[in-house]
Amino acid sequence: DAGITQSPRHKVTETGTPVTLRCHQTENHRYMYWYRQDPGHGLRLIHYSYGVKDTDKGEVSDGYSVSRSKTEDFLLTLESATSSQTSVYFCAISENGLAGGPGEQYFGPGTRLTVT
Amino acid sequence: GDSVTQMEGPVTLSEEAFLTINCTYTATGYPSLFWYVQYPGEGLQLLLKATKADDKGSNKGFEATYRKETTSFHLEKGSVQVSDSAVYFCALRGRGSTLGRLYFGRGTQLTVWP
Repeated sequence: DAGITQSPRHKVTETGTPVTLRCHQTENHRYMYWYRQDPGHGLRLIHYSYGVKDTDKGEVSDGYSVSRSKTEDFLLTLESATSSQTSVYFCAISENGLAGGPGEQYFGPGTRLTVT
Repeated sequence: GDSVTQMEGPVTLSEEAFLTINCTYTATGYPSLFWYVQYPGEGLQLLLKATKADDKGSNKGFEATYRKETTSFHLEKGSVQVSDSAVYFCALRGRGSTLGRLYFGRGTQLTVWP
């Protein structure tokens, strides 16, 4: 199994509070991703990173920010949590593929976030 | 834009039954196609993949063939087991994607009864 951990695994927070989720990898992979999983939507990309300090937005990035100051850690921050951000959040990592771009993605165990 | 349409669930089968989960895609060029599986309380695991037309991906008795003419990548298994109960996701990655972004279908819940 790819060495990916997410913390916390479960969190309950109140509307308006800031929340930071952490993804940690031991694989030294270049690419990292944050997804959210909601019933009826599958997984949707929030943000991704293609190197230290190199990040970009996915399709549902509003209300989220990310940071990557080290290869192994990719942080997702909800600046002011809302009930619509109640979801399961998955981190994924990707090694370099044959052509130098990203290869297959491997997923962490997920963080279940509830915003009350 | 790129997208995946996946068969709505839930799917309920008896053990040893034949499984098909339909997946069709829309993409420019020739994407790579994937099936992921999610067991209860866990993250997604790559089940199989195909990177070009007519490729057949296979793993753990599951198979899927990349059909360019029908833009499909249907998942099949000849004899399902109770342990196959999970949510299955079809996904694509665009050929020109330099950042590896995946587009997922909505997922299909499979329950297998003994």
